[in-house]
Amino acid sequence: EVQLVQSGAEVKKPGESLKISCKGSGYSFTSYWIGWVRQMPGKGLEWMGIIYPGDSDTRYSPSFQGQVTISADKSISTAYLQWSSLKASDTAMYYCARWPGDYWGQGTLVTVSS
Amino acid sequence: SYELTQPPSVSVSPGQTARITCSGDALPKKYAYWYQQKSGQAPVLVIYEDSKRPSGIPERFSGSSSGTMATLTISGAQVEDEADYYCYSTDSSGNHSGVFGGGTKLTVL
Repeated sequence: EVQLVQSGAEVKKPGESLKISCKGSGYSFTSYWIGWVRQMPGKGLEWMGIIYPGDSDTRYSPSFQGQVTISADKSISTAYLQWSSLKASDTAMYYCARWPGDYWGQGTLVTVSS
Repeated sequence: SYELTQPPSVSVSPGQTARITCSGDALPKKYAYWYQQKSGQAPVLVIYEDSKRPSGIPERFSGSSSGTMATLTISGAQVEDEADYYCYSTDSSGNHSGVFGGGTKLTVL
């Protein structure tokens, strides 16, 4: 059974760093792209970027380029989304998905507040 | 930057056909994908590559694409189909930069 399991909810302060994870199982992790999607409270889906764990080829949305870093560790079948300095506007639910979205993680809620 | 445009809302009565459109300049060359998202849940893929239906998705869901418009059709919509629907595609730059449409709230009542 294909599963994507994301790390738990986070509460952070502005300026702090954060790395959330997405662990895949039940399929060949290195053979499928993993995508990250943001959903701000009460808003629509926003495509952030994708990574191919087989060779770490990464593509970003222009809206998120330079704002986040997407990475993967194929040895443990895990993809990551990280911030070096969080802002209040990063408060959102973040989903990973096996791209183009046939399987999704349960989402990680990130709250950034002083 | 590339945009996909959807109507904010569509409303039908149970048993009627619901059509949700998605327009984008690159759609003649790029596939459209459709996702259903119910309140508080992760999205679910309902149509991929314009018109293919994943296993487990009811046959009443279908997709088509012509020119710069992709359409999700729900034939005989049911109350449980009430959800937000998003189209997704990529731009034509070759960089595989994806984008979602703004979403359409489908009301079935």
